Amino acid sequence: DAGVTQSPTHLIKTRGQQVTLRCSPKSGHDTVSWYQQALGQGPQFIFQYYEEEERQRGNFPDRFSGHQFPNYSSELNVNALLLGDSALYLCASSLRSSGGPNEQFFGPGTRLTVL
Amino acid sequence: AQSVAQPEDQVNVAEGNPLTVKCTYSVSGNPYLFWYVQYPNRGLQFLLKYITGDNLVKGSYGFEAEFNKSQTSFHLKKPSALVSDSALYFCAVREKGSGNTGKLIFGQGTTLQVKP
Repeated sequence: DAGVTQSPTHLIKTRGQQVTLRCSPKSGHDTVSWYQQALGQGPQFIFQYYEEEERQRGNFPDRFSGHQFPNYSSELNVNALLLGDSALYLCASSLRSSGGPNEQFFGPGTRLTVL
Repeated sequence: AQSVAQPEDQVNVAEGNPLTVKCTYSVSGNPYLFWYVQYPNRGLQFLLKYITGDNLVKGSYGFEAEFNKSQTSFHLKKPSALVSDSALYFCAVREKGSGNTGKLIFGQGTTLQVKP
């Protein structure tokens, strides 16, 4: 059973460019969350997708956008890249249910470097 | 505002000794708390969670955590540390009102160094 997968592993872009990161959730999961982890920091929540809609959003500008596909996979898009966008981008999947709070399962991340 | 604090940037312990990684939280009402571990160049791995009930929660790889409501703490513990436990540890709390799988608020992380 494959866990959460992300692509690409590493990415180098220049300021002003646009980038798309991809995530496939763990089998059976229907919800995808994206986090940004800057060097030496804890992950910061960007947004969450469920049923192909953005359900929650953290304190990130509109340059950060996303999408979820019918197969539950997701993309994170960042426009007009800034040097400060350099970070490890983590995708996490989970399953919405009527039961108690469920943990999120994280992928290995995409390391984005903006020059 | 809801938050999590990990007061120690680094914890050093000798192999075989007990370890504790500290976490305190600030959340109104009953919190949902989590511990994750991150190895170099890897994503986060789930260790354990506290939802309700027994204050001592057992998790993966021999780790456990003690929930203390009066001290608003959720410290991670292990009776006997292994060199392979050396990694970065994150405490997290689920944001109130974010649902069953909603936003996690993470602490800054604590580096655990276990020496042979």
